[in-house]
Amino acid sequence: QKEVEQNSGPLSVPEGAIASLNCTYSDRGSQSFFWYRQYSGKSPELIMSIYSNGDKEDGRFTAQLNKASQYVSLLIRDSQPSDSATYLCAVIVPGGGNKLTFGTGTQLKVEL
Amino acid sequence: DGGITQSPKYLFRKEGQNVTLSCEQNLNHDAMYWYRQDPGQGLRLIYYSQIVNDFQKGDIAEGYSVSREKKESFPLTVTSAQKNPTAFYLCASSKVEGTTEAFFGQGTRLTVV
Repeated sequence: QKEVEQNSGPLSVPEGAIASLNCTYSDRGSQSFFWYRQYSGKSPELIMSIYSNGDKEDGRFTAQLNKASQYVSLLIRDSQPSDSATYLCAVIVPGGGNKLTFGTGTQLKVEL
Repeated sequence: DGGITQSPKYLFRKEGQNVTLSCEQNLNHDAMYWYRQDPGQGLRLIYYSQIVNDFQKGDIAEGYSVSREKKESFPLTVTSAQKNPTAFYLCASSKVEGTTEAFFGQGTRLTVV
């Protein structure tokens, strides 16, 4: 079982819609969760971090964490063509000295 | 400006050569990480370090080596034992307590010629 799993996509949504990206993780001891956006050929950019159960909102982005289900999600409201990118879920896995582990990423396409 | 600097941006290696990728940060972060990314793939962890003079192997450490002699620096050497080194290499750093968000450098694109 992979430590962090994401659907690779592509996920296509129309402009103005809500995009929903999902991630599951295997280590129940994980405490820190992150979403990164990566444009083609560029390095990842942090867009959200979440440390406790529930929702965390920042502008058009909402991160949701459910530790009981080992599930973290990212909602993007009013999706724009500039949101088209790969979204990477990352988790700090406590086993082995708090290593930062990434999923394979979900490609999002926002269509006009 | 605080940040993470990777150099060079592009690097070409002949087969059989060792090359060293530089990563420097002035964010006063304790943890530093090296990842490899192949086209269309996610980030795979090569090595990571939580403190000076200590580091751990990640998922794909074979053919790579690192050192952590200073808090600010975490160079990665790609040795000749790494049979398929062509990839995009990313360095990141973070705190180890409190808010532990990791921030990335601009990356080094390594090509074997």
